Amino acid sequence: DIQMTQSPSSLSASVGDRVTLTCQASQDINYYLNWYQQKPGKAPKLLIYDASNLETGVPSRFSGSASGTHFNFSISSLQPEDVATYYCQQYDNLPPTFGGGTKVEIK
Amino acid sequence: QVQLVESGGGVVQPGRSLRLSCAASGFTFTRYAIHWVRQAPGKGLEWVALIWYDGNDKYYADSVKGRFTISRDNSKNTVSLQMNSLRAEDTAVYYCAKLRGAVLWLGAFDVWGQGTMVTVSS
Repeated sequence: DIQMTQSPSSLSASVGDRVTLTCQASQDINYYLNWYQQKPGKAPKLLIYDASNLETGVPSRFSGSASGTHFNFSISSLQPEDVATYYCQQYDNLPPTFGGGTKVEIK
Repeated sequence: QVQLVESGGGVVQPGRSLRLSCAASGFTFTRYAIHWVRQAPGKGLEWVALIWYDGNDKYYADSVKGRFTISRDNSKNTVSLQMNSLRAEDTAVYYCAKLRGAVLWLGAFDVWGQGTMVTVSS
């Protein structure tokens, strides 16, 4: 199985800060990488698909980028409603696998 | 609107069985594979199983292979997950999810159900 390693596991930042999360794949996944936001007690929500494409209706402050097996997810200006856990997910191979998540909090 | 609704969760003893259902609406169900993903309390997301749009192909995580069976009824727009020989480590919220693209095995999960809790405990 492809291992997805997210870092950091948690972070605390101020409102308005730029926040960047990373996800490292254990092998080439051809940019088949998605990002989800999950708030407590809720189902995950798709934010970014295919490494850098913004899902319809998702605010433009969210973005994704890729370089080889290294993937970044950024929030350009952190808002209070962005408090959540963020997961990456690869779908290059079965089984699809998720990273361990990054919990984002407001300082 | 596009919606998935899970049901069937509950508390069950180790070794017993439970059947989850996922009811779909608002999209052409017969064109989409459906996946199950679970989340143990306080833990991350774990893929469980998928069923092809026509029900002819199914894949399972190693952790549930031989114990769980996924099926679908395209006349009723439903997917089921039969869970046998349940273990404590199967305790989780179970979500069904559809892919963003039709007639695909894998991709981005753009619609998720609200989840149903399964607790395996004596």
